[in-house]
Amino acid sequence: QITLKESGPTLVKPTQTLTLTCTFSGFSLNTSEVGVGWIRQPPGKALEWLAFIWGDDDQRYSSSLRNRLTITKDTSKNQVVFTMTNIDPVDTGTYYCAHGTASASLDYWGQGTLVTVSS
Amino acid sequence: DIVMTQSPDFLAVSLGARATINCKSSQSVLYSSNNKNYLAWYQQKPGQPPKLLIYWASTRESGVPDRFSGSGSGTDFTLTISNLQAEDVAVYYCQQYFNTPDTFGQGTKLEIK
Repeated sequence: QITLKESGPTLVKPTQTLTLTCTFSGFSLNTSEVGVGWIRQPPGKALEWLAFIWGDDDQRYSSSLRNRLTITKDTSKNQVVFTMTNIDPVDTGTYYCAHGTASASLDYWGQGTLVTVSS
Repeated sequence: DIVMTQSPDFLAVSLGARATINCKSSQSVLYSSNNKNYLAWYQQKPGQPPKLLIYWASTRESGVPDRFSGSGSGTDFTLTISNLQAEDVAVYYCQQYFNTPDTFGQGTKLEIK
């Protein structure tokens, strides 16, 4: 079955770069029909789509955050790495990675990792 | 970006009754070449990740009870929960995946009256 798990720091200082890793199993990220995305949720607020990478390495980003984001994949390790530069306290929240397809959108989600931005 | 607006923000419904949540997109999410609406609905319970309920506006994800149904086309969509159960208490989100970036609605919190 498909599973995903997020990992990374729980506390980040302002202006630093946040790096999160999504380690997945149950699928291969090597076709244009499958991808992995990152979505975040500030405490008590709505979901915000951040970035997505397809198996053919097509990368898509949030319009408002694209200058700060990078998403890459390591097919051999079954991992997707997400980075956000110049982090700020407003970036505090739970960060999720999710498996996606063109038809069913985001059909499998990790449990999420809470990232707190504070000095 | 396509803006997704849900209504209402909060909904209280009696057990066994019907709950209706609306979602409106700022532009059509209907792809004319396959006549599919790229609109999904998610359920999120406290402390849990979102769960996909409906995709292509009306297709139930495997394992989702048939009391959940989606309808609509173009820019106006509805999630209907029939025979509301206690375990349906959650926040519900719509999402368009027609255009990148994908965008979510602001969420609708559903409680039992």
